[in-house]
Amino acid sequence: AQKITQTQPGMFVQEKEAVTLDCTYDTSDPSYGLFWYKQPSSGEMIFLIYQGSYDQQNATEGRYSLNFQKARKSANLVISASQLGDSAMYFCAIIPSQGNLIFGKGTKLSVKP
Amino acid sequence: EPEVTQTPSHQVTQMGQEVILRCVPISNHLYFYWYRQILGQKVEFLVSFYNNEISEKSEIFDDQFSVERPDGSNFTLKIRSTKLEDSAMYFCASPPPGKETQYFGPGTRLLVL
Repeated sequence: AQKITQTQPGMFVQEKEAVTLDCTYDTSDPSYGLFWYKQPSSGEMIFLIYQGSYDQQNATEGRYSLNFQKARKSANLVISASQLGDSAMYFCAIIPSQGNLIFGKGTKLSVKP
Repeated sequence: EPEVTQTPSHQVTQMGQEVILRCVPISNHLYFYWYRQILGQKVEFLVSFYNNEISEKSEIFDDQFSVERPDGSNFTLKIRSTKLEDSAMYFCASPPPGKETQYFGPGTRLLVL
């Protein structure tokens, strides 16, 4: 069975600083994809970043980067230069071989001015 | 950029009533998914749909649920006899062909009274 663990229910960060949101995963599939989604208070699920299990380099998308450590089964999200609009729930998810997303419980990020 | 759309955005219904939630996926997408998120909890997979039939379903997707694509564009989720515990946000999602990243619709917030 696949599982995503996000151990930080809530995080605070000062505006303009960087923050790391933790995610560990468990899967027996040799091939999988890892994702981060942002859910603002309005409720929509916004795709942020993707990392394939065979990708050699860490994924980056603008201010978002994914710190992928395969041996440790971790896929932490790093947000640089935090903005007030980054305040939201952040969900880590995995797609194993069968194709549906399996989500963690999320981390609520609050950016302080 | 094309987007997944969902209607209605909100629905309130009485316990025991049938509801139909609608999704218009991006036109060239082939796989479609329904997820739900009970308030304050993580997103859970319900069902995946490909080539006009269910390809996978979760334990949540019992006989009260059904999906179809009646006219080749709309993708519907029907709950035959709603229960209080069906109150949740329901998301439709789909990936572009050949890609794993699933793009979510804005969701339908269902409240069963």
